[in-house]
Amino acid sequence: DTAVSQTPKYLVTQMGNDKSIKCEQNLGHDTMYWYKQDSKKFLKIMFSYNNKELIINETVPNRFSPKSPDKAHLNLHINSLELGDSAVYFCASSRGQGGREAFFGQGTRLTVV
Amino acid sequence: GESVGLHLPTLSVQEGDNSIINCAYSNSASDYFIWYKQESGKGPQFIIDIRSNMDKRQGQRVTVLLNKTVKHLSLQIAATQPGDSAVYFCAENTGTASKLTFGTGTRLQVTL
Repeated sequence: DTAVSQTPKYLVTQMGNDKSIKCEQNLGHDTMYWYKQDSKKFLKIMFSYNNKELIINETVPNRFSPKSPDKAHLNLHINSLELGDSAVYFCASSRGQGGREAFFGQGTRLTVV
Repeated sequence: GESVGLHLPTLSVQEGDNSIINCAYSNSASDYFIWYKQESGKGPQFIIDIRSNMDKRQGQRVTVLLNKTVKHLSLQIAATQPGDSAVYFCAENTGTASKLTFGTGTRLQVTL
């Protein structure tokens, strides 16, 4: 049983395209996140949702639009992809807000060419 | 801004030795800290956590030490094994903020 699953695992696309990454968690958590990991392994939060409500948006370009249809799902749509968007994107979830461990998915490696 | 950083980017240890991975944080208001392990091609995996009202916590082969005076966190791994080879991150959380702030990571290499 995969606790936090994201699809696809790999995504190669051309500049200017629009793409989506999906995430689902079966842990019953009410908070979900998107993190971006760059080529130097630095992990930085992008968004946080609690019970489908956006609570953190860390100055991410508005080409990135998260959507949470229910508290078990958090998708990430990216418009007009740029070379600098190439990274590994991790979905995570936690029980409640703050002060708790987050469980991470396996990541989606996005390569923009 | 606030940051969580690590002293050593790469640490090489022999199998069977103990490993110590260090982390410095600058946000004195942080009250919860986690160590994560990330193996190649995988997401970060929880190892151990500690709250600011403690200075030491032990798990299976791992110990986390917290020194709030100097804002320093360390992860000790006893009898390091080849399977411990990975990148290790410390992360901090402040109050009810719904996010973890990660340090830059330390790569642990276990040699035979």
